[in-house]
Amino acid sequence: DSGVTQTPKHLITATGQRVTLRCSPRSGDLSVYWYQQSLDQGLQFLIQYYNGEERAKGNILERFSAQQFPDLHSELNLSSLELGDSALYFCASSVGQGRPTNEKLFFGSGTQLSVL
Amino acid sequence: SQKIEQNSEALNIQEGKTATLTCNYTNYSPAYLQWYRQDPGRGPVFLLLIRENEKEKRKERLKVTFDTTLKQSLFHITASQPADSATYLCALDKRGYSTLTFGKGTMLLVSP
Repeated sequence: DSGVTQTPKHLITATGQRVTLRCSPRSGDLSVYWYQQSLDQGLQFLIQYYNGEERAKGNILERFSAQQFPDLHSELNLSSLELGDSALYFCASSVGQGRPTNEKLFFGSGTQLSVL
Repeated sequence: SQKIEQNSEALNIQEGKTATLTCNYTNYSPAYLQWYRQDPGRGPVFLLLIRENEKEKRKERLKVTFDTTLKQSLFHITASQPADSATYLCALDKRGYSTLTFGKGTMLLVSP
């Protein structure tokens, strides 16, 4: 058990809808990262938050947004969903800012999103 | 463009043999390289981190090498076991940035 909790485990929804994925980092970790994993693209970095502030942005679509709350949990919001958004979404956490990236990441078990 | 390449074909080996997985990269100058293990439907699990000034790192049956001239890392599992069957991902930092970029991974299948 990595100590990172993601909910829900599975999410099935329709195109055009909006969903929220939730992540609780390991106790004491200040950074939260969101990754998307699909068969053809592999693990793609979306966004990082450190202690409530956005730290780095990757290939995150404008339809997607995230935030980190004062209790350090994070939410990833996906809107106007398309079939291509179907993927496994992982949250990871690390102790510090991850700069430089000499910190290991602890991943949650992921949320499997299916857009029908 | 920047690329991280791992063999997309699964590596099949027999129990007891040494598995060697390759991670090649182009247009990166990573200060660190990490290896993760991922089981189906689960999140990646950190295995080893190696710094640019380290040639080799060991942890139990695992060994990682890092050749910044060849732009390559090799990941070895000695005395492999069926329980080692999983997908192994390498990840690099982008110097000056806080994020890790992952390769697509290589599946390892260890047969008894």
